[in-house]
Amino acid sequence: ETGVTQSPTHLIKTRGQQVTLRCSSQSGHNTVSWYQQALGQGPQFIFQYYREEENGRGNFPPRFSGLQFPNYSSELNVNALELDDSALYLCASSSGQNNEQFFGPGTRLTVL
Amino acid sequence: GNSVTQMEGPVTLSEEAFLTINCTYTATGYPSLFWYVQYPGEGLQLLLKATKADDKGSNKGFEATYRKETTSFHLEKGSVQVSDSAVYFCALRGGGTSYGKLTFGQGTILTVHP
Repeated sequence: ETGVTQSPTHLIKTRGQQVTLRCSSQSGHNTVSWYQQALGQGPQFIFQYYREEENGRGNFPPRFSGLQFPNYSSELNVNALELDDSALYLCASSSGQNNEQFFGPGTRLTVL
Repeated sequence: GNSVTQMEGPVTLSEEAFLTINCTYTATGYPSLFWYVQYPGEGLQLLLKATKADDKGSNKGFEATYRKETTSFHLEKGSVQVSDSAVYFCALRGGGTSYGKLTFGQGTILTVHP
């Protein structure tokens, strides 16, 4: 059974650019949640996708957007990057909205 | 809104010492409580959980009891090992939301020396 995978592992962008991060959910999971973890902090919830629909969002601006595909993989898109967007972005999948979340290793984004 | 507060870190212990990491929470309703562990370069792993008051979660020698009266979920281990060195996060889910949003504390770095 393959766990949650994320790509790329590391990414460097400059202010104002756009970025797309990808997540493949664990087999049999239909729910994906995204979190932002700034250095030295706990993860902060960005949003959750359930069966291709966004069904919950944290306190993040609209320039953070996402997609979930029919195979339940997901993308996180961030437009107009700011320096404070530098963080580890974690994806977690689960077999339902309130079931245990399994985390991927994360994508480290650096904005210069 | 929901929030989780963990004891300030980092925590440094010798092998076989007793570990306590404090966690308190604020939430509406009846949240589920979790401890996650993050090893260097890896994602979060669920360590243990408790879903209702007075439940005790346990795994790999770690324990935590859901105390509603003190809104706490402190993590304990009787004898730590070098391999327990990691970052530990207390988290909650629920408290009125209809989806599985996890709210995390700031994390506690644990270093265990031989």
